[in-house]
Amino acid sequence: KQEVTQIPAALSVPEGENLVLNCSFTDSAIYNLQWFRQDPGKGLTSLLLIQSSQREQTSGRLNASLDKSSGRSTLYIAASQPGDSATYLCAVSTGANSKLTFGKGITLSVRP
Amino acid sequence: DAGVIQSPRHEVTEMGQEVTLRCKPISGHNSLFWYRQTMMRGLELLIYFNNNVPIDDSGMPEDRFSAKMPNASFSTLKIQPSEPRDSAVYFCASSLERTDTQYFGPGTRLTVL
Repeated sequence: KQEVTQIPAALSVPEGENLVLNCSFTDSAIYNLQWFRQDPGKGLTSLLLIQSSQREQTSGRLNASLDKSSGRSTLYIAASQPGDSATYLCAVSTGANSKLTFGKGITLSVRP
Repeated sequence: DAGVIQSPRHEVTEMGQEVTLRCKPISGHNSLFWYRQTMMRGLELLIYFNNNVPIDDSGMPEDRFSAKMPNASFSTLKIQPSEPRDSAVYFCASSLERTDTQYFGPGTRLTVL
């Protein structure tokens, strides 16, 4: 059974700092990995999707990497801003039906 | 596009009542997913449909839960009878194909008293 872990559960950083959010998964036979953002009381917004054959994806100040063999992914946020404050969830797609398994998320607070 | 639409946004009901949650996926998307989010268990997939057909319902907690997708633009998740432990936020998501990026609706916050 696939398990996805995100540690720490919460993180607080000053504005302008570059930061890395970590995600680990137990079954390396994945189809893809996605990073989502969730604002309080809202749904999830997809940030980046990395196919199993890729090593990284970039969008603006965000860069996500994937190391399938070690079961790890990182989300790099450059020059963090208070507007980046949210919960970031990692999810992997595995199995014959490619269903997503989510981590519990990392709640990020960027202090002005 | 309006995105994934869910209704109602909030539902408060009493134990034993029937609850029906509704979802309209993004037009043209072939896959639809129902999730439940709680503090304790995080986000869990309940069921997903591909081309209106249920593919995997292994996440449905018990027989009190049922889901239907009568056409490509509408799905329901029904709980009958509801129990306090069903209180959670229920999300619907859709994607072009099942392995593509999923787009989430705003969720329905369900409280069962």
